[in-house]
Amino acid sequence: DGGITQSPKYLFRKEGQNVTLSCEQNLNHDAMYWYRQDPGQGLRLIYYSQIVNDFQKGDIAEGYSVSREKKESFPLTVTSAQKNPTAFYLCASSGQESSGNTIYFGEGSWLTVV
Amino acid sequence: GENVEQHPSTLSVQEGDSAVIKCTYSDSASNYFPWYKQELGKGPQLIIDIRSNVGEKKDQRIAVTLNKTAKHFSLHITETQPEDSAVYFCAALSGYSTLTFGKGTMLLVSP
Repeated sequence: DGGITQSPKYLFRKEGQNVTLSCEQNLNHDAMYWYRQDPGQGLRLIYYSQIVNDFQKGDIAEGYSVSREKKESFPLTVTSAQKNPTAFYLCASSGQESSGNTIYFGEGSWLTVV
Repeated sequence: GENVEQHPSTLSVQEGDSAVIKCTYSDSASNYFPWYKQELGKGPQLIIDIRSNVGEKKDQRIAVTLNKTAKHFSLHITETQPEDSAVYFCAALSGYSTLTFGKGTMLLVSP
């Protein structure tokens, strides 16, 4: 099946730990995104990448890092500098379709600090 | 940057009624307006979108209207069903190349 795969679905982080969320897409999309979702806050952009080996900060990049070594992969690392990491994290991708840059989402990953 | 306001934050309707969710945006250069439906614990799914060169688009029970002059767009769901219950997000895409989302509307359809 074509789509966006996020793993793990549930992840627990101890204080001071870095954790990495995986995102893989087989849609041949150039652009990939990471969003954070908190109750009542909607979706906020963390980082995005429009091409391999390049990425830009979104609105809430502090405490996060990303890499884009392959077109199909865009992992997100939540570092110990992120003081409130408990949230639902969503990966997305988009391609240059004839109808424009439609964005598709993965199923999300829940991160909880313990 | 772009700012998207979405109302109402919650909406309760009876099965069979219509539901309307409204969004406003700030950047007149925005040209693409998708709507997403998110069920509990899942990722948002695109349900309909509209581009700035049209004023209305329909897909079965759902429709979206766009008023570029007033900078607002709306989602209309007719003949609502319990399975329409979810959180709905509007978004706008401007020249900054990333979507800006509204804060969402929780729609509850009662049987």
